[in-house]
Amino acid sequence: NAGVTQTPKFQVLKTGQSMTLQCAQDMNHNSMYWYRQDPGMGLRLIYYSASEGTTDKGEVPNGYNVSRLNKREFSLRLESAAPSQTSVYFCASSELVGYSNQPQHFGDGTRLSIL
Amino acid sequence: AQKVTQAQTEISVVEKEDVTLDCVYETRDTTYYLFWYKQPPSGELVFLIRRNSFDEQNEISGRYSWNFQKSTSSFNFTITASQVVDSAVYFCALSPTSGGYNKLIFGAGTRLAVHP
Repeated sequence: NAGVTQTPKFQVLKTGQSMTLQCAQDMNHNSMYWYRQDPGMGLRLIYYSASEGTTDKGEVPNGYNVSRLNKREFSLRLESAAPSQTSVYFCASSELVGYSNQPQHFGDGTRLSIL
Repeated sequence: AQKVTQAQTEISVVEKEDVTLDCVYETRDTTYYLFWYKQPPSGELVFLIRRNSFDEQNEISGRYSWNFQKSTSSFNFTITASQVVDSAVYFCALSPTSGGYNKLIFGAGTRLAVHP
């Protein structure tokens, strides 16, 4: 069972370049999330999609855009990469069951360096 | 404010020692959920436990146990007879039910090193 799959696993960009991080889940979950993890700060939510067709900003959305392509896929785009966006990015998914907050299941992460 | 504090940045123990990881949270929600995740050196995040605010029973799973105390807003995690494979960063997270979505607020994490 693949769970949540993120591509690529590693990427190096130059300042100003753009790129899209891909995420796909095979658990038929309604909700998907993008986080960034910086040293000493835990994970912070960038964007989320509560269900197919909806997306909303999280705690740190500036400099990013997202697309919920279908129920399985949720991509994160950096339009003009900046060194401050050097981080490890995690995609997650969860079932949506009313207000019974279900565990989020995470991908293996994408390590992104911006020079 | 909604916040999770893991005051222990790093803990180092010798194998077979017991170790407790502290987690203190803040929320005004009356209904909320608490989680623990493990991040081993390979980097993935592994779900360990979910607890809702109405269930204050302690939980034991093998060598792992969790102590939820609503009175002190704490959800501590104990590993009994630690093993080298327990070396990881452990995150406590709060999920309030206000806000309309399954939001996770993470603590900064505690890095546990278990030495042979």
